[in-house]
Amino acid sequence: KAGVTQTPRYLIKTRGQQVTLSCSPISGHRSVSWYQQTPGQGLQFLFEYFSETQRNKGNFPGRFSGRQFSNSRSEMNVSTLELGDSALYLCASSLEGLDYGYTFGSGTRLTVV
Amino acid sequence: GNSVTQMEGPVTLSEEAFLTINCTYTATGYPSLFWYVQYPGEGLQLLLKATKADDKGSNKGFEATYRKETTSFHLEKGSVQVSDSAVYFCALSDRLNQGGKLIFGQGTELSVKP
Repeated sequence: KAGVTQTPRYLIKTRGQQVTLSCSPISGHRSVSWYQQTPGQGLQFLFEYFSETQRNKGNFPGRFSGRQFSNSRSEMNVSTLELGDSALYLCASSLEGLDYGYTFGSGTRLTVV
Repeated sequence: GNSVTQMEGPVTLSEEAFLTINCTYTATGYPSLFWYVQYPGEGLQLLLKATKADDKGSNKGFEATYRKETTSFHLEKGSVQVSDSAVYFCALSDRLNQGGKLIFGQGTELSVKP
């Protein structure tokens, strides 16, 4: 059974540009969440989508946005990149009901220069 | 608000030593509790979970018991191996009040020496 797939694995962008990251959840999982991981702030929740609707949102500026498609694949977009956006972005999927726990992808390492 | 606090690392142990990583939480509701592990260059892997008080989660020799009275979920393993070297994260979810959001501790790096 395929796991959570995130593309690309690595990305280098210039300050001011925008970026789109992709996440394909495990087949049958309709809940997808995104997290930002940095050495200073640790793991922080960005947002969660379920059945194409944003169900929950963390405390990030509006430059961070996301969406989910009818096949449960999700994308997140960061506009007007800042140096502080450099991080590992992790996507996680789950069957409905957090009791199952979330399965994480390997992440996208974004470097902003 | 809800939060998770883990013991600071790094923790360095010799192979076959006993491991304890402390985790305490603050939550207004009745959270589920998780331990995740992250190996270098990889995402997070679910290690074990517990969904209600007194539940014991276990996997690969690791165990943790959900203690509501002490708001704790300490991770233990009787005999660590070099391959257990990784960063361990304690996390909680409060599905009733916060939906699909995991709150993580800061992580504890474990290094096991042969």
